[in-house]
Formats: sequence, C-alpha cells, structure tokens
Amino acid sequence: GAVVSQHPSWVICKSGTSVKIECRSLDFQATTMFWYRQFPKQSLMLMATSNEGSKATYEQGVEKDKFLINHASLTLSTLTVTSAHPEDSSFYICSANFIFSGANNEQFFGPGTRLTVL
Amino acid sequence: DQQVKQNSPSLSVQEGRISILNCDYTNSMFDYFLWYKKYPAEGPTFLISISSIKDKNEDGRFTVFLNKSAKHLSLHIVPSQPGDSAVYFCAASGNQFYFGTGTSLTVIP
Repeated sequence: GAVVSQHPSWVICKSGTSVKIECRSLDFQATTMFWYRQFPKQSLMLMATSNEGSKATYEQGVEKDKFLINHASLTLSTLTVTSAHPEDSSFYICSANFIFSGANNEQFFGPGTRLTVL
Repeated sequence: DQQVKQNSPSLSVQEGRISILNCDYTNSMFDYFLWYKKYPAEGPTFLISISSIKDKNEDGRFTVFLNKSAKHLSLHIVPSQPGDSAVYFCAASGNQFYFGTGTSLTVIP
C-alpha cells in the first residue's frame, strides 16, 4: 500500500528556534498534502492544504507566517514552525491524497512528528 | 509496511441497523487506539478512543472493542443513521501515530 513518511519523528527544540518537518509520499505522487495538528484526545485539526507548485491554503486561525508550508514536488511537502514556543508543542501529522484511476480518492497519513518546545 | 489495516474499503448498511467497522494492527506495543470520522473536504473528527488496558469503551451510539490477543479493533455504530455516512479511520499510537487507510460507510435511508 501507499506509504507516507515524516521526518523527524520526534524533535525537541529551544523556544525561539525554527523546526522543519518533512512529509514524503514514498511510492506514489501526491497531488495534495494536508498538515494537521493533534492535541491529546482531540480531533485532528486541519492546518493547511498544500498543492504542489502553488501556495498552501491555510485554515482560519492558522498563522501562515508562523507555519510555513512548501510543496516543492509531488512527493515532498515541508512544514516549518518558525520561532517555536512551548504552546506549539504538539503532534504534527501530514497526509497525502492519491487519486486512483476510477475516481476513488484515498488519503494516506504519515506517522506524525512530535514537537516539544522547551 | 502498513502497521494498521482496514481491509474493507467500503461498507453499506441500512438505516437503523448496526455498522461494524474493523481494524487490525501488527504492533503489540501500541497502547492507545482511536477512531476518526471524516467528511469530504474536512479534517478527521475524533470519535472515540480506547486504552490498551480496556477491552470496551462506549459513548452513545458508538462502541469500540479491543481484542489485544487478536490485535483487532472494531467500531460498532447502533443504530446507524444516514448522517453517519463518512470515511472512518482507525489509528494506533505508541511513540507515533499509525493510521489505517479508511473505510467508507454509507448508511442507506
């Protein structure tokens, strides 16, 4: 089956630093990738939708200057948390869309990146 | 390697009947399991979860069963309603999250 990877899986950083998280589709081309934030026992919060070669579409309330998204190729999207603060500590999860022939649309999730900001 | 599997991509159920969505996992170290519901063009919504120390958790019409020996998780919805029609993802977590590929549930009025 289709695989989505994230790197790193866990990152600890000091307050004020920037952290880059990579999301890769390993064996398929993803036209669209999604970035989510997961709080304990809560829904995945969609942060932004990333389309290859164009600017990301951010959900209401998500600061685009703080959460920079780059979708440089059909297999890679990156999320950079700029000037991270302790309240940014969370699980960040990406997913990728794979449109099969036959018009069924499946979404494959990465394993998440745990960000801890000290 | 898919550590969480939902082998049925789709399921159709008559309104009022029980919907049973299944999920299998491979890693016995997973200690927390979740079910999400997703409508088109929206992010997944958390439905219900279960810790590995339990074998059942109930919340209204939704019940999750965990069989650790079989590494099997199921979500029961009863009675099913047309508004339950959505894609359902199961997920397991240890140090990371692992999601299944989803089962599309259609509840027929």
